[in-house]
Parts: sequence; C-alpha cells; structure tokens
Amino acid sequence: DSGVTQTPKHLITATGQRVTLRCSPRSGDLSVYWYQQSLDQGLQFLIQYYNGEERAKGNILERFSAQQFPDLHSELNLSSLELGDSALYFCASSVASGGQPQHFGDGTRLSIL
Amino acid sequence: QQQVKQSPQSLIVQKGGISIINCAYENTAFDYFPWYQQFPGKGPALLIAIRPDVSEKKEGRFTISFNKSAKQFSLHIMDSQPGDSATYFCAASSTDSWGKLQFGAGTQVVVTP
Repeated sequence: DSGVTQTPKHLITATGQRVTLRCSPRSGDLSVYWYQQSLDQGLQFLIQYYNGEERAKGNILERFSAQQFPDLHSELNLSSLELGDSALYFCASSVASGGQPQHFGDGTRLSIL
Repeated sequence: QQQVKQSPQSLIVQKGGISIINCAYENTAFDYFPWYQQFPGKGPALLIAIRPDVSEKKEGRFTISFNKSAKQFSLHIMDSQPGDSATYFCAASSTDSWGKLQFGAGTQVVVTP
C-alpha cells in the first residue's frame, strides 16, 4: 500500500460530460502529481501541485484542470469528455519536489462511452 | 517525443535467470532515475532509484547500472522469480522541472517456472 488514495476506482460516462477525480496524498507529502496512462501514449505527466500551488504543467489539455486544497488533497477535473480521454489516471505524491521519490495510487480507470 | 527510450518491449526469462532492461536519455539535466514495477490493475510501485553521482546501486535482487557518459541506465533483476512478472518502467526527472517524471514505454517481463 503506497498510502496514496484515489477515488473512484472506475468511472464510466458519456462523451461531453464532466468528471472529477480525487487524490489524497501520503501523510506528510506536499507535492501531488497527475499522470495519464494509455496504450498509445504510455505514462504521461499532466500537472503538479506543491503545497497548494501549481508548479509544473505537461501536455494537459485545456479541457482538463486541477487544484490542490489546503488539506493537500487534489482533484483533477475533466470536461467535454471525448472518446480519446479513456485512460487510467494516476496520482502520485512526494515529500517535496525535484528528485524526490514519487509514490503512486492505484489510479482511476475512466471509460468514455 | 519520447525523452526516455526503453528496450526491450517485452522479454521472457526462466526462473532463476537474469532480466536486463535498458534505458537511454538525451536530456543532460536529468538528475534522478527511478524504476517502477507495475502489476495489472495497480499503480506503478517505486522499485529502486539512482542519481548520476553513482554508477551502480543494488537493493536485494535488483541492481541499477548507470553510465553518465553514454546517457544510459539499466535494471538487472537477478534470480528472477515468477512473482517478478510485471511491467517495468524506467523514468527520469530533473530538479529544475520540479521533478516531473518522463517515463520510458515500459517492458513486460514474464518469468516462466
């Protein structure tokens, strides 16, 4: 058990809809990272927050947004969903940022019908 | 553009054998190189990591070899066991990019009894 909790485990929705994925980091970790895993793109970095502030962005679509709350949990919001957004979404956390071990949750599997 | 290139895509090894996975990178700013193990339905689990100031790191049956001049690093799994059957990912990050991980494409390892 990595100590990182992601909910829900599975999400099935339709095109055009909006969903929210939630992540609770390990106790004491200030950094939260979001990654997308798909068969064709592999594991891709989306966005990182450190102690409530956005620190780094990857190839995250404009339809996607995230935030980290004062209690350090994070949410990833995906809107105007398309079939191609079907993927596994992972959250990882670390004590700080920059070369610190990142521990991953078990992900949310998003299926767009 | 894949910043970390991983090979082979898959490998089959007999129980007790050695599994070797190789990765290469271009960005000389990378200063942290972790390996992750992923089982189906689970998130990537941190296995072992190395920084460029050392050429080798060993933890149990897992060893990372690092060649800074060649910009290559590899994972050796000694005395491979059926329980090691999983997908392995190499990754790299740099301190100046807030630690976001760039992943290789993954290697599916199957250990036969």
